[in-house]
Amino acid sequence: QVQLVESGGGVVQPGRSLRLSCAASGFTFSSYAMYWVRQAPGKGLEWVALISYDGSNKYYADSVKGRFTISRDNSKNTLYLQMNSLRAEDTAVFYCAREDAARGFDIWGQGAMVTVSS
Amino acid sequence: SYELTQPPSVSVSPGQTARITCSGDALPKKYAYWYQQKSGQAPVLIIYEDSKRPSGIPERFSGSSSGTMATLTISGARVEDEADYYCYSTDSSGNRVFGGGTKLTVL
Repeated sequence: QVQLVESGGGVVQPGRSLRLSCAASGFTFSSYAMYWVRQAPGKGLEWVALISYDGSNKYYADSVKGRFTISRDNSKNTLYLQMNSLRAEDTAVFYCAREDAARGFDIWGQGAMVTVSS
Repeated sequence: SYELTQPPSVSVSPGQTARITCSGDALPKKYAYWYQQKSGQAPVLIIYEDSKRPSGIPERFSGSSSGTMATLTISGARVEDEADYYCYSTDSSGNRVFGGGTKLTVL
């Protein structure tokens, strides 16, 4: 079945780095733009980063620009988010999501918790 | 920056109609999407392109848009519809944004 599974979350100290992965299955991964969306504890959804289907275009929210890098490996059906210089305010559940051209974010992963704390 | 405004909370009794609004200046020209998020779960798409319903989403969920406001309507709300609901859209510059979310209580 169509599925996205995040991994790589955990507890990290401020200023350190962490890389999230999102493994896709059940669909042609290389045909879809992919997003990372996060949700701080008790807060709403915030889109973080977007990558085009072939990886040629990448966009970031102002809150993470210059610190986070989105990438993908279509041969491995995997999406990544490299997070550097992490701050306490980056503490959140990070979801990967598939973007369908018409339906928007139609498939979501279960989320990976990232806690930035000393 | 672009913003979508939702009421923080809406409360209805079971069987009543719940309406959740989403206001944004670009909505006359941009589609609205709606997501349902139950406690501890990932969001689920329930309405796309203002009013279309993905397969598997109950018919009691409907969407509409007029001017700068999009509306999610839940006709005959059920206890299991209790969740947070988020609208999503973009502006003319391609800025992507979620609304702040609306907590629906059905009791």
